[in-house]
Amino acid sequence: ETGVTQSPTHLIKTRGQQVTLRCSSQSGHNTVSWYQQALGQGPQFIFQYYREEENGRGNFPPRFSGLQFPNYSSELNVNALELDDSALYLCASSLQRGGTDTQYFGPGTRLTVL
Amino acid sequence: DAKTTQPNSMESNEEEPVHLPCNHSTISGTDYIHWYRQLPSQGPEYVIHGLTSNVNNRMASLAIAEDRKSSTLILHRATLRDAAVYYCILVRTSGTYKYIFGTGTRLKVLA
Repeated sequence: ETGVTQSPTHLIKTRGQQVTLRCSSQSGHNTVSWYQQALGQGPQFIFQYYREEENGRGNFPPRFSGLQFPNYSSELNVNALELDDSALYLCASSLQRGGTDTQYFGPGTRLTVL
Repeated sequence: DAKTTQPNSMESNEEEPVHLPCNHSTISGTDYIHWYRQLPSQGPEYVIHGLTSNVNNRMASLAIAEDRKSSTLILHRATLRDAAVYYCILVRTSGTYKYIFGTGTRLKVLA
């Protein structure tokens, strides 16, 4: 069984640019969540997708957007990058949405904004 | 908005029990309590979750206060492999879903 994979592993962008991060869910998982983890901090919930629909959102501006595809892979798009967007971006998939679901995290994409 | 509060760091001797506390005084009735841990350079890993009752699994136990405003993760016999950052999380399932992570407790296990 393949776990959650993310690409790329590292990325360097400049302020104002746009970036797309990708996540491949664990087989059979229809729910994906994205998190931002700044250095030395806990993960912050960005949003969750369930069967291609946004299912929940944290306190992030609209320039953070996402997509979930029919095969349940997912993208996180960030427009107009700011220096504070530098962080580890984590993707997590689960079998179902809800309070009892177990999330399986990928290794993350390290984004640096210069 | 809901939040969780955890001590920044704790130490334990190997083979001894560890009690990791978490305060979540603003918890709502339908919020689940989850614990995950994160090893260096890895994504978080599920440990345990509960709603109202105490829970046990092969990794740990979760003790939830009667008023649900606090919980404690119990590792029965700490090993060196348990050294990690432990996160207490509220999973909000009413309305739109939200996952509210605490700042985490860095657990150091001494040989």
